[in-house]
Amino acid sequence: NAGVIQTPRHKVTGKGQEATLWCEPISGHSAVFWYRQTIVQGLEFLTYFRNQAPIDDSGMPKERFSAQMPNQSHSTLKIQSTQPQDSAVYLCASSLVDRNSDYTFGSGTRLLVI
Amino acid sequence: GEQVEQRPPHLSVREGDSAFIICTYTDSATAYFYWYKQEPGAGLQLLMSVFSNVDRKEEQGLTVLLNKKDKRLSLNLTAAHPGDSAVYFCAVRDPTGGNNKLTFGQGTVLSVIP
Repeated sequence: NAGVIQTPRHKVTGKGQEATLWCEPISGHSAVFWYRQTIVQGLEFLTYFRNQAPIDDSGMPKERFSAQMPNQSHSTLKIQSTQPQDSAVYLCASSLVDRNSDYTFGSGTRLLVI
Repeated sequence: GEQVEQRPPHLSVREGDSAFIICTYTDSATAYFYWYKQEPGAGLQLLMSVFSNVDRKEEQGLTVLLNKKDKRLSLNLTAAHPGDSAVYFCAVRDPTGGNNKLTFGQGTVLSVIP
């Protein structure tokens, strides 16, 4: 079990460019979550998929951010026209669907927008 | 929505001493509680999960106390050693049906001095 795999580990992008972050959940985990971590805001929920379907995207900025889960083996978080304030560590987590299951977090992607 | 307050933000203890971190939450319907450890450049490592029917749970030098009346969750790390130096987060799971997102505390930076 390789755990939740996030790629790339680090990404530097110029202001206005697009950034795509990848997450491979643990095999058999049907719930996938994205969180953003910054010094100022701490850990913030972004979006949640269950069985590949988007369930809750209430934490996603309405513009420029989108997330997909095209198959059970990966999810992507895309940020269009990146801005310096998008710089953060983006964490992906997966779990079984039942409510008393624990999450497993990936190591995160550190995004720096310059 | 749920709000979680964590304190202290920074904690420094000597090797062999105990470290105590406390979180308060707002939603009395919350039923699942978690403590995570984050080392530099890494994701979140689950230390312990607690369901609301448990008042006290001990594992490997860690003690979690849950006071549902006061909506308070605490972590006591006994006999700390330098390897315990990290950032610790409490988290609670959204109690509303169908949503499994976590709300995190702000984190406690623990430094264990040899």
